[in-house]
Amino acid sequence: QQQVKQSPQSLIVQKGGISIINCAYENTAFDYFPWYQQFPGKGPALLIAIRPDVSEKKEGRFTISFNKSAKQFSLHIMDSQPGDSATYFCAASGADSNYQLIWGAGTKLIIKP
Amino acid sequence: ETGVTQSPTHLIKTRGQQVTLRCSSQSGHNTVSWYQQALGQGPQFIFQYYREEENGRGNFPPRFSGLQFPNYSSELNVNALELDDSALYLCASSLRPTGNTEAFFGQGTRLTVV
Repeated sequence: QQQVKQSPQSLIVQKGGISIINCAYENTAFDYFPWYQQFPGKGPALLIAIRPDVSEKKEGRFTISFNKSAKQFSLHIMDSQPGDSATYFCAASGADSNYQLIWGAGTKLIIKP
Repeated sequence: ETGVTQSPTHLIKTRGQQVTLRCSSQSGHNTVSWYQQALGQGPQFIFQYYREEENGRGNFPPRFSGLQFPNYSSELNVNALELDDSALYLCASSLRPTGNTEAFFGQGTRLTVV
């Protein structure tokens, strides 16, 4: 019940296209859903986060869509650029996880010029 | 840069040895969490320290231990190293312990056990 399942494992998108990464969770007590971006040799960096009281949050080219009833959330990267090539992790936390982040397995995104 | 620094950046140890990894938290942050990230996987929570006390622990054996100092910097100690301990060890600092607070990560320490 503590798992967060992320897909796809890897993704190749043309420059200017839309990149979409999906995550699903089981624990309905989760109430914080961040996305992290990680470049090779670096630690993860927070990209954008959402709470379950909203269905969508947008920051620049990055949008989180949240479906509480389906227990799914996704990251959309609009106008994808080569500099967006990185590994993306979704995560979730809540009272049941003692507010510790439970991470997805990651998606390696490659943006082709 | 996040202001969280980890040392060393790379380390090679022999099976059975002990290792100490260090983390300086971002200024003003009193909470430090440690994660293990195996190649191609997401980070796994090891434990968290809040104001010098352990404040939660993941599914890791007791040979993984830690400390937090009065300046909120932290150490991760691993005894009796095993080959499977080879991973990137990440430290994250935050303003408070709750998970819905942004955590700032260091660049990690790459540990190789041979």
